[in-house]
This record gives sequence, structure tokens and C-alpha cells, in this order.
Amino acid sequence: AQSVSQHNHHVILSEAASLELGCNYSYGGTVNLFWYVQYPGQHLQLLLKYFSGDPLVKGIKGFEAEFIKSKFSFNLRKPSVQWSDTAEYFCAVISYGNNRLAFGKGNQVVVIP
Amino acid sequence: DGGITQSPKYLFRKEGQNVTLSCEQNLNHDAMYWYRQDPGQGLRLIYYSQIVNDFQKGDIAEGYSVSREKKESFPLTVTSAQKNPTAFYLCASSIPNGNYGYTFGSGTRLTVV
Repeated sequence: AQSVSQHNHHVILSEAASLELGCNYSYGGTVNLFWYVQYPGQHLQLLLKYFSGDPLVKGIKGFEAEFIKSKFSFNLRKPSVQWSDTAEYFCAVISYGNNRLAFGKGNQVVVIP
Repeated sequence: DGGITQSPKYLFRKEGQNVTLSCEQNLNHDAMYWYRQDPGQGLRLIYYSQIVNDFQKGDIAEGYSVSREKKESFPLTVTSAQKNPTAFYLCASSIPNGNYGYTFGSGTRLTVV
């Protein structure tokens, strides 16, 4: 069964600091990869996704993620965070033929003004 | 606007009672899903349905039941057999197979007292 690992569940940083959230998955076949964000009191929103092509994908609000196939990783980055980036971030993976999106346990990110 | 509607937003029930959570979508998606979100555990799949009148158990189906009589609707019943029902429940939908990601509703927070 596919699984998704996210480390450092709680991240606290100051505005303008850089953010990197790790995501590793276990499935060896063809996968599609996603990062979702959940702002306080709001529903899950798609931040960015990777299907194929350029392994560096750019999403909304200045976020980007890099797919490294050899490391089974899809890490999320933002060079300079803002207070409004305070949210929970979820990495998700779906493998072709599985039909089920598997989520990591999430990263709770708090940005201090 | 197309989207997913979950109702109610907050739900309180007494222990031992069954309760049904509503999920309606007007995105014309064939597939629908129910996830449970608990702090520090991410999203775990309860049930999913790829087509009307068909559904499959997810990873934590015990104590839950679903029906899919209409394409637009996928209600979830939390039965008295569910040992720890207090949680945040999220409904999602997608095109067949879900390879291109899911659209999520705003969730229902169920509290059993």
C-alpha cells in the first residue's frame, strides 16, 4: 500500500524566513503528487500538483515544489513566508490504478509576525 | 458556482445514536470520497465511490456506512458501532480515478457527547 511521510509536524518561524516541508512516498510506480493547504477554519485547497514534465512546479502564493524521483520526494518550499501562510499543509499521492489519494499527516506551520 | 456542500458545519449527537452527514456536489464528478481528519493524523479514507450504486471501504470503514443512489450525493452515516466518532469529516469528489486531484467540501465537525 502506498504511504506518505511528512516530518516535523509543527513548524514555527518568523516572517520573511524560508520554509521547506519534506514529503516522501513509498510507491514505486507512476504517481501524481499534490500539496494541499488548510487555512484556519477553511477547507482544503490545492496549492500545487505534479503530473509529469518539469519536476519543479510552481503553485499559488509563491509556493513551489520539486519532484525528485530517485528520492521518492516532493518537498514544498517558499523563499519568504508571511503571517498569512499560517496553515496546515498536506502532501498527497495517488498512484495510477490505485484510485485513492493518500495523505501525509500534515505540517502545522505557524508564522510569527 | 460548482462545488461541494457539506451540511451541517457543526453537529452534536449523544453517544449511541446514529448520525448522517450530508455531502452534495454539482461538479458532475463521478467519484466521491469521505475522509476523517484528526489532529496529527492527517486525512484517513473512510469510504469511496467511483460510480453510482457502487462504493468501497477505505482504510477505516468500521462503524461507518454510505450510500450512492445519486451521482450528486454521497451521505455518510456514523453508527453507534464507531468507537471514537468525534472528528472532522471531509467529503471530496473527482473525475474518474482521481488522478488529477480532488475537490474538497468545507467539512462537518461531529461531536459526540
